Amino acid sequence: EVQLVQSGAEVKKPGATVKISCKVSGYTFIDYFMHWVQQAPGKGLEWMGLVDPENGETIYAENFQGRVTITADTSTDTAYMEVSSLRSEDTAVYYCATGGVLDYWGQGTLVTVSS
Amino acid sequence: EIVLTQSPDTLSLSPGERATVSCRASQSLKTSYSSPLAWYQHKPGRAPRLLIYGASTRATGIPDRFSGSGSGTDFTLTITRLEPEDFAVYYCQQYFNSPRRTFGQGTKVEIK
Repeated sequence: EVQLVQSGAEVKKPGATVKISCKVSGYTFIDYFMHWVQQAPGKGLEWMGLVDPENGETIYAENFQGRVTITADTSTDTAYMEVSSLRSEDTAVYYCATGGVLDYWGQGTLVTVSS
Repeated sequence: EIVLTQSPDTLSLSPGERATVSCRASQSLKTSYSSPLAWYQHKPGRAPRLLIYGASTRATGIPDRFSGSGSGTDFTLTITRLEPEDFAVYYCQQYFNSPRRTFGQGTKVEIK
C-alpha cells in the first residue's frame, strides 16, 4: 500500500523558516516525481512545484520561485518542502502528492504564520 | 501557463440530483492519446482524492456515478445521482505540460 506521511502542524513567526517532511512507503521512491500543493484558508489548490527524487532536479511554479525549496532524500525515502522568510500569507495546508496522475497524497500539514 | 476555469463556483443541489461541473482550458489539451485532464474531490480535513484521469477514466475504486468527458478545451465532470458523501469541492487539473500542473479554482457542490 502506497503511503505518504507528512510531519505535524507548525506555528511560526513572520520571517522564520519552516521545513515539512513527507515520508513515503509502498513504492520505489525514485519512480515518481514528488509534487507539493498549497491550500490557503478559503482558497483552492495551488501547485507549488516538484522534485525528481532520482536526481534532485526541481521545477517551481512562478508564484513559489525564490522562497520555496523542495528536496528529496533517497536514503530515507523522504521529500521535504521548505519555505523561508515566512509571511502571514503562507498560512496554509501543504500537501505532498505523487504518482503518474497525482493519485497518492499525504494527509496535509498545517503551517500557521503568526506573530 | 495553462489556466483552467471552472463553472459554476458553487452548485446547490439535493441528494439524488445530477451534478455537472465544467472546466475550460485556456489552450487546447489535445494530444495523440487521452486528454491530460484529471478531476479531484476534496473534503475539509482530508487529502484530495483522484476521481478521473485522462479526462474520462475513473480511478481505482471510484463509483460509476462519477464520469468525465470532453476534449480540447472543454471538459465536464458529471455525478449522476448525488449521494450525501459527494458534497465536497471538485477541482480539475491539467498535466498537458507535465510535469508541471495547474488546478482550476474549484467548484463547491453543496446541499440545497
